[in-house]
Amino acid sequence: DAKTTQPNSMESNEEEPVHLPCNHSTISGTDYIHWYRQLPSQGPEYVIHGLTSNVNNRMASLAIAEDRKSSTLILHRATLRDAAVYYCILRRGQGAQKLVFGQGTRLTINP
Amino acid sequence: GAVVSQHPSWVICKSGTSVKIECRSLDFQATTMFWYRQFPKQSLMLMATSNEGSKATYEQGVEKDKFLINHASLTLSTLTVTSAHPEDSSFYICSAVRTASSYNEQFFGPGTRLTVL
Repeated sequence: DAKTTQPNSMESNEEEPVHLPCNHSTISGTDYIHWYRQLPSQGPEYVIHGLTSNVNNRMASLAIAEDRKSSTLILHRATLRDAAVYYCILRRGQGAQKLVFGQGTRLTINP
Repeated sequence: GAVVSQHPSWVICKSGTSVKIECRSLDFQATTMFWYRQFPKQSLMLMATSNEGSKATYEQGVEKDKFLINHASLTLSTLTVTSAHPEDSSFYICSAVRTASSYNEQFFGPGTRLTVL
């Protein structure tokens, strides 16, 4: 499985945008980029995913570099409820493939 | 959205006993489910892949005789921790893949916290 690299932790202020980076330099052409987040003592929650083009949904935006070797999860206006560990994961193809979690980025939101 | 439940949400047991954890997809069918384990301050570690009607596939280093997995229906998978010991204390999380989804979306349960005394 291709590996992802994320900063261990990041901090931001409430109501400000947050940009969470992820490097995946060994990504293959069929790897989808997924983002999940995990709030304390809960199971992971799907945030967004993409293949080549930037993606937007009600939770966040995903900006994918042209060479696909990196991506950025954008929370447009962070709230205290966005404090969580954010995982960037590559998954091959569209089959029912397992997700391999790295260490993720622990996001702290200051009021 | 799709909902996955786990039961119990927490359990405390004595060393040497067995504990069964259920994972249910409440509003969709799931041919494939996954079981993860998470120790404090660590990431999720995949334990096994559970496929309905067939034997589970275990990740390297996970003892299949200790962690029994049964996926008897399209909405239920169970994980039984046999002869539990304190080192098995952990947060166990399941996920289910929505069969009808063209993308094979994966949804996670809320987790079960196991404490072995």
